[in-house]
Amino acid sequence: EVQLLESGGGLVQPGGSLRLSCAAFGFAFRSNAMSWVRQAPGKGLEWVSGISDSGGSTFYIDSVKGRFTISRDNFKSTLYLQMDSLRAEDTAVYYCARSWGALDVWGQGTTVTVSS
Amino acid sequence: DIQMTQSPSTLSASVGDRVTITCRASQSISNWLAWYQQKPGKAPKLLIYKASSLESGVPSRFSGSGSGTQFTLTISSLQPDDFATYYCQQYNTYSRTFGQGTEVEIK
Repeated sequence: EVQLLESGGGLVQPGGSLRLSCAAFGFAFRSNAMSWVRQAPGKGLEWVSGISDSGGSTFYIDSVKGRFTISRDNFKSTLYLQMDSLRAEDTAVYYCARSWGALDVWGQGTTVTVSS
Repeated sequence: DIQMTQSPSTLSASVGDRVTITCRASQSISNWLAWYQQKPGKAPKLLIYKASSLESGVPSRFSGSGSGTQFTLTISSLQPDDFATYYCQQYNTYSRTFGQGTEVEIK
């Protein structure tokens, strides 16, 4: 079964760090670009970051540039999002998704809460 | 960045109604547009890609059309399972963007 499983969310103080992970199952992870999408409480979807299949190209929305780092380990079939200097406005459910275009497979999401 | 604007924000409809949601891009995105359905507490589900291609397993009552800057998602006969929030998303530029969403609620 094609599946994505996120982990690593939690409660963190402003200025703190978290690393999200997304384990992929049932498809050729190394052949697919991947994305992170977030959804603040009661709000819409926001694409955050994308990475090419090799990991050689990465892209971010302006509000997270310099604070978030997307990466992948194709041997472990795992996607990561390192989040530093977290702000209250980063509070959201974070989803990983397959592809960088039309996102055809989604994880269940992991919740990140930034609060003192 | 390309802005995506959906209308309406909320739509009240009955089972069996034909429903149309519009998505407008702030500049041309060719046909690089996707539509998603999201239910409360769940991850989004891809319905349509490349503006008009139906994702595998999605019922044929869903259809998409448009190109350039104007796009529509149509549900030909609304079913109870279709009450949800719908989002468009452009993937023409490196920074992908979503519309603000359209909630389809029971009339």
